[in-house]
Amino acid sequence: DSGVTQTPKHLITATGQRVTLRCSPRSGDLSVYWYQQSLDQGLQFLIQYYNGEERAKGNILERFSAQQFPDLHSELNLSSLELGDSALYFCASSSDWLEANEQFFGPGTRLTVL
Amino acid sequence: AQRVTQPEKLLSVFKGAPVELKCNYSYSGSPELFWYVQYSRQRLQLLLRHISRESIKGFTADLNKGETSFHLKKPFAQEEDSAMYYCALRGGGGADGLTFGKGTHLIIQP
Repeated sequence: DSGVTQTPKHLITATGQRVTLRCSPRSGDLSVYWYQQSLDQGLQFLIQYYNGEERAKGNILERFSAQQFPDLHSELNLSSLELGDSALYFCASSSDWLEANEQFFGPGTRLTVL
Repeated sequence: AQRVTQPEKLLSVFKGAPVELKCNYSYSGSPELFWYVQYSRQRLQLLLRHISRESIKGFTADLNKGETSFHLKKPFAQEEDSAMYYCALRGGGGADGLTFGKGTHLIIQP
């Protein structure tokens, strides 16, 4: 599959724990975006990386952090988890960060915090 | 702050009837507007964007800056159009994520 891939598909953990979500962009895409989808807030932009550097920040909590590695894959780290962090986390990639480039979405990671 | 509003959570129409999914936005500059679609068990995918002014799968959307709207229309709905539709905005300049509306679930009845 040459599209955006995300692992794991599902993750169940407890409050207070820390998890790492992984995203591999489409081949050749330099830009990676993270989004959170919850029932009450809908789809919200968290953070964007381009070629290893942070480019833009959205509604990302201080307990969350991300990075993009030299091979362009990205990880989203969520710590001190709370019940309200339960959501679908999507990664998207695009060829660059310029105007109106299409973002290709991954299948998402469903996080459940108990 | 930028905001996207999709007033209908659910829209049900009969096959062959016209469809209009409403989207209003608030943004102080010149936005880029998109419609994304998510079919059952598939990932979110781009349907169309305002700058390309193209018709995809029979859908069109016109950016109306006066009314700050970007409604999605199709003259004759088909059953395969049933899906979740999200309107999204990105501020000019590019280095930003998309601001999404909460989505409209479109159901096409046979």
